[in-house]
Amino acid sequence: NAGVTQTPKFRILKIGQSMTLQCTQDMNHNYMYWYRQDPGMGLKLIYYSVGAGITDKGEVPNGYNVSRSTTEDFPLRLELAAPSQTSVYFCASSTRQGANEQYFGPGTRLTVT
Amino acid sequence: AQTVTQSQPEMSVQEAETVTLSCTYDTSENNYYLFWYKQPPSRQMILVIRQEAYKQQNATENRFSVNFQKAAKSFSLKISDSQLGDTAMYFCAFMKLVGGSQGNLIFGKGTKLSVKP
Repeated sequence: NAGVTQTPKFRILKIGQSMTLQCTQDMNHNYMYWYRQDPGMGLKLIYYSVGAGITDKGEVPNGYNVSRSTTEDFPLRLELAAPSQTSVYFCASSTRQGANEQYFGPGTRLTVT
Repeated sequence: AQTVTQSQPEMSVQEAETVTLSCTYDTSENNYYLFWYKQPPSRQMILVIRQEAYKQQNATENRFSVNFQKAAKSFSLKISDSQLGDTAMYFCAFMKLVGGSQGNLIFGKGTKLSVKP
């Protein structure tokens, strides 16, 4: 049981490039989330999904897209990368009922130059 | 909209002593949950403790306990017998339930705790 895994761990992008951050969980969780953490700040929600085929925007969705074709995977797509997207990105998952714990992946550090 | 405020950007404590981290929040909701997460230098987010707003009893987890004051919208974390491994960023977070299911977590900016030998 690996929990939540994210790839890559680190990435440097040039302005205008695109990339996909991968997230996979093996706990059969309904809910999955993408957060970003800027230096000296708490996590902010980008997008979330309550199940396969269902996604919704969080607090800071601009410049990102997501899809959820399976229960296990929740990739985050960055189109036309900008320096403002330099951040650490965390994926998380949880069960549906109540206020259960969100399990976090190890994060991806992304730098856009 | 809900907000979470951690007014102490950094704190330090001597090993084996007790430290309290502060958190206040703003909400008009009556049914919600509060969390403390720990983020060590490895960046892994780890749940420390959870409190249901409808419970008057303060949550405890081994050396970690909270002081939940609902009327004051205050949720502080007390770490007893501090250990070097407690050195980390600590985030306070708020979540409301939506129809009995998970809502979204709203995080504070964090408090950097250093435990000194």
